[in-house]
Amino acid sequence: DGGITQSPKYLFRKEGQNVTLSCEQNLNHDAMYWYRQDPGQGLRLIYYSQIVNDFQKGDIAEGYSVSREKKESFPLTVTSAQKNPTAFYLCASSILITNTGELFFGEGSRLTVL
Amino acid sequence: GENVEQHPSTLSVQEGDSAVIKCTYSDSASNYFPWYKQELGKGPQLIIDIRSNVGEKKDQRIAVTLNKTAKHFSLHITETQPEDSAVYFCAASKGFGNEKLTFGTGTRLTIIP
Repeated sequence: DGGITQSPKYLFRKEGQNVTLSCEQNLNHDAMYWYRQDPGQGLRLIYYSQIVNDFQKGDIAEGYSVSREKKESFPLTVTSAQKNPTAFYLCASSILITNTGELFFGEGSRLTVL
Repeated sequence: GENVEQHPSTLSVQEGDSAVIKCTYSDSASNYFPWYKQELGKGPQLIIDIRSNVGEKKDQRIAVTLNKTAKHFSLHITETQPEDSAVYFCAASKGFGNEKLTFGTGTRLTIIP
């Protein structure tokens, strides 16, 4: 089945550690996105990528980094510089970034900092 | 930038009744308004969307209405069923590009059997 796979589903991290969340899609979509979801808040955009080897900061990029070495993969690193990293992280993709249309989401990764 | 407010934050409805969720937006230039449904433990899924050149759109038991003058849009679910229980998010976007989407804070809808 085509879709977006995020891993791990749950992740625990000690303060001061970097952690990388995986996102893979087999939809052949050009655009990929990372969102952060906190209780009582809407989805907030962290980073997005239109094509391989290119990515742009979203609204809350500080303390995060990404790479897009392959069309199907868009990993997110939560660095120790992120002051409040405990959250639910969602990866998404769409056919084209220049066309506002359906976002396809993965099932999310829940990160807890101990 | 765009600001999207969503109400109510929680809603309980008897099975078979209708549910209405409302969103207001701040930027009059916004022209795309999707609604996403997020079931427990899953990512959001698009259920319906509307563009600013249309006032209403229906898909079976789901409908969305848009009032550009008042800058608000609403999701209507009729004949609610237990599987409609989920968190619903509205969003608004100006111009082209999903990176411009601003999401509401979500409504947790519970259908009471």
